[in-house]
Parts: sequence; C-alpha cells; structure tokens
Amino acid sequence: DAGVIQSPRHEVTEMGQEVTLRCKPISGHDYLFWYRQTMMRGLELLIYFNNNVPIDDSGMPEDRFSAKMPNASFSTLKIQPSEPRDSAVYFCASRTAGGWGTDTQYFGPGTRLTVL
Amino acid sequence: AQSVSQHNHHVILSEAASLELGCNYSYGGTVNLFWYVQYPGQHLQLLLKYFSGDPLVKGIKGFEAEFIKSKFSFNLRKPSVQWSDTAEYFCAVNRGLTNAGKSTFGDGTTLTVKP
Repeated sequence: DAGVIQSPRHEVTEMGQEVTLRCKPISGHDYLFWYRQTMMRGLELLIYFNNNVPIDDSGMPEDRFSAKMPNASFSTLKIQPSEPRDSAVYFCASRTAGGWGTDTQYFGPGTRLTVL
Repeated sequence: AQSVSQHNHHVILSEAASLELGCNYSYGGTVNLFWYVQYPGQHLQLLLKYFSGDPLVKGIKGFEAEFIKSKFSFNLRKPSVQWSDTAEYFCAVNRGLTNAGKSTFGDGTTLTVKP
C-alpha cells in the first residue's frame, strides 16, 4: 500500500484565496483524521471521520474551515478565505476501526501551507 | 476531557547518553498508549504502543516505554541515544474498549542529540 497520500505537498497562496487540501487514506481504513501542526500550538486535531461521517469537528478553528469525505477513499479540507495565521503543516491520518482503539494511526506526509 | 502532558519541551543530549521522556495522562479508565516520532521534515510515525499485557513495551530502534497505571504515566526510554534520534516525540492516548475514535496527543518533546 502507498500509505496515506496528501496533495499538494506545498501550497503558497495569498490571503483571501481559497485553499483545498486533499487526502487519500489507506484502503480499508475506517477513520480519517485532519491535524494542523504549528510551532506555537503543536499538533491539533481539527476533525475526524468514521465511515465517511464527521464525528467530531470541535477542533475546527472557525467557519472558514470545512472538511468533507464524499467517499471512503477521499477527503478534503478547505479554507475559505485563507489568512496568514492559517500557515501550518496539515496532516491527514487514517486507521482501522478494529482493535478497540489499539490500532495505529498512519500519517500522511503533510501539506505545508503558507498564506502570504 | 482527557489530557496528555509531556513535561519536557526540549531535551538536549550527547550521543550515548540515556534518555527518558515523560508522559502523563488524565483519563482514569482503560487506555491505549502510543509514542510517535517525527523526524525533521517528515510525518509522524509509530514508535511503540501499549494496550494490554506486559507494561514494559519495546519498540523500534531500541526504544521502550513503561506503563505505570498508578502514576498514569507512559515514559519513553532509550539507554543510549544516537544522533539519528534527533526528532520530535509525541505521546498519545485513546480510550480502550469503547473504540473511541480519536487520540489525544501531547504537545511533543523535541530531542536534539549532539554528535
């Protein structure tokens, strides 16, 4: 398996523009997570899905952020409009539903977003 | 809400020194515990995990961690660090048995190993 795939790997955009980050989880994984990592705030969970359904979006910073998972093999995180403080590395992770919570999360390579 | 505390934000060691990184969590029920490592410029990857059985868990690259239930701790150890261990280390906890979806991550500890 290719692992969790994220695109783009780098994104540089201007303030006010719409940004869409993409994630393809590992095939067969039932959970998908979106995280944001910054120096100031560390690793933050933004939202996670179980079987394509959003379960907990309490970490989404504000209405400018939205996430979708239209099917089991694809998810998007959208920021509209983007602001400089959104600059961060955004990670997607996935895991199986089995094992009563013992299963490892597998992280993608991340998207480094810079908003000018 | 459960929380995870990593007491050391930045640790600097010389090669061959011993390492111990602290991790404490607040949840009182059954937990699954993880240590992830993030090498510079890379994504997080699993180092080791504990969910039952022997509380001393051995992971990759000579790392181990001990689950002490009475202390709500899961400290990471390595007897002799190498320069290549320079990375950020994250402790994570999720609830066992209920298959709760998300893990709670600590703030991370940056380890710098001097050659």
